[in-house]
Amino acid sequence: NAGVTQTPKFQVLKTGQSMTLQCAQDMNHEYMSWYRQDPGMGLRLIHYSVGAGITDQGEVPNGYNVSRSTTEDFPLRLLSAAPSQTSVYFCASSYSAPRGSEAFFGQGTRLTVV
Amino acid sequence: KNQVEQSPQSLIILEGKNCTLQCNYTVSPFSNLRWYKQDTGRGPVSLTIMTFSENTKSNGRYTATLDADTKQSSLHITASQLSDSASYICVVSAPSGGSYIPTFGRGTSLIVHP
Repeated sequence: NAGVTQTPKFQVLKTGQSMTLQCAQDMNHEYMSWYRQDPGMGLRLIHYSVGAGITDQGEVPNGYNVSRSTTEDFPLRLLSAAPSQTSVYFCASSYSAPRGSEAFFGQGTRLTVV
Repeated sequence: KNQVEQSPQSLIILEGKNCTLQCNYTVSPFSNLRWYKQDTGRGPVSLTIMTFSENTKSNGRYTATLDADTKQSSLHITASQLSDSASYICVVSAPSGGSYIPTFGRGTSLIVHP
């Protein structure tokens, strides 16, 4: 049982480049979300989706886009990478919205923007 | 603004000893509170969930308490093991626009020495 799979695990980008972080889950979860984790700070919600075709912004959405064409996949796009986007990114999924539903996290993508 | 404050920031204990981690929150309205364990280089994993009506919940050597009146929670670890070395994150969820938005604390870094 793979759970939540994120790719790549590590990535270095130059300022201004774009890229997509991939996230896939095989648990048939409706709710998926993306977080960033910076040193000394809690995880911060970037975008989330309550089901295929439905996405919404979280706490820090600027500079990121998402789409949810299938239940399984929830990619995160960096439009024009900036050094401030250097962070560790986590994708999570849960059966429903966080109320009473455990979130399962991927192993993270460590992104460095130079 | 909803906030979750954890203390201490870091803690070093000897193997076999007990410890207690604290979480204070201002999230309102309150839906539930979870404690997660995050090993270095990995995504968080849920330990316990507390709802408004629950005061205590145990998961093996982990016991979480909740005082919804004072908006405080604690995570007690009994007979610590080397594998308990990790970051422990308190997460409080609140309803928002038909979904539920989690607010993450910054975590307590626990190191267990032999």
